[in-house]
Parts: sequence; C-alpha cells; structure tokens
Amino acid sequence: DAGVIQSPRHEVTEMGQEVTLRCKPISGHNSLFWYRQTMMRGLELLIYFNNNVPIDDSGMPEDRFSAKMPNASFSTLKIQPSEPRDSAVYFCASTRGPSYGYTFGSGTRLTVV
Amino acid sequence: TQLLEQSPQFLSIQEGENLTVYCNSSSVFSSLQWYRQEPGEGPVLLVTVVTGGEVKKLKRLTFQFGDARKDSSLHITAAQPGDTGLYLCAGVASGTYKYIFGTGTRLKVLA
Repeated sequence: DAGVIQSPRHEVTEMGQEVTLRCKPISGHNSLFWYRQTMMRGLELLIYFNNNVPIDDSGMPEDRFSAKMPNASFSTLKIQPSEPRDSAVYFCASTRGPSYGYTFGSGTRLTVV
Repeated sequence: TQLLEQSPQFLSIQEGENLTVYCNSSSVFSSLQWYRQEPGEGPVLLVTVVTGGEVKKLKRLTFQFGDARKDSSLHITAAQPGDTGLYLCAGVASGTYKYIFGTGTRLKVLA
C-alpha cells in the first residue's frame, strides 16, 4: 500500500498563475478530502468527495478554488488565479469511513510570490 | 465554531519528563482519534477510542476517552525527542456529519 500520494511536494508560483495540485487516494477508500494547513488557522477542510461526488465544498474559500474527482483514483485541486494569501500546505486525505481515521498524503507546500 | 479545544497549545519539555495533552468539547463524540504530525509530513493516525472510559496504550502513550465521550487525554511517559510534533484529536460530533480536528498541541522534547 503506497498510501495517499500527492504531487508536487513543493510549488512556487507567481501571483496570478494557475496552480494544480494532484492526489491519488488509497485504493478502496471511498471518501477523499482536501485540507489546507497554516500556522494561524490550523487544518481547514476545503472540500470532500464521497464516491467521487463532491458532498461539501463550503470550505472552499472563493471561486478561485475548484476541485474535481473524475474517478476513484484521482483528484485535483486548482487555484486560478493564485494569490499570496493562498500560500499554505495543502493535504489530501482518504478514508473508508470516519471511524477508521484518515490517511493523509505528505502534502503540497504552496508558495505564491 | 471550534468544537474540539486542545490544551496546552504549546509544550516544551526535557527528555524523560511526563506530559498530558487534553482534548475537550461540549459535544458528544461517537469516537475520537489522535494523530501526530511531524514537520513536513501529514498527520498520522495513532489511535481510535470508541467507548466512554476506554483506555488504550501504545508503548509510552496512554489515551483515555472520557466517560461522557466529550473529552479525551493523551499521556506520554518518559518523553523522547522522537515524540516531538503536532498532536491532533479529531472526530465526528453526534448530530453532525463533519469530521473535525482539534486546535492542536505542539510538543517539543529537548534532548
């Protein structure tokens, strides 16, 4: 089991550019989550999918953020256009169900300059 | 509204000392999980507690779920530098479907 795989690990981009973060969940996990973590705000849930369907996107900060899950093994989080305040570590996590706990990827550290 | 409050927020101790981290809520949880996050990595699940009053041990770590299932604690005996990290509790409050994380306790164990 390779765990939850995220790419890239680090991304540095200029303000106004489009950024795409990628995630491969654990096979057999039917729920996938995107989180953002900063020192000030801790872990914030952005969006979650169940069986590839977006269930709750109330945590997505603005229309500049969008997420897709075209199949059970792949999800993307896109920011367009990016802004310096989007700088954070973005985590993807998957689970079979809350009582099993979540498995997190290693995260993507995004820096927007 | 943050439903899971952790204390202390920061803790710096010497190797060999004992410590306890608390996770408190006014809501009832069907289960709670504890995670540890090391720098540059995602949180890693340590344990799940399900039954009120339950105690689970993981080597030098002891986890307890409150009788009313509103709170939990993590006790570390003889802390080691390898215990350094961010400790998070998490769960789904009864009557909700959202899985939430606590505010976190940042532990540093000095050699």
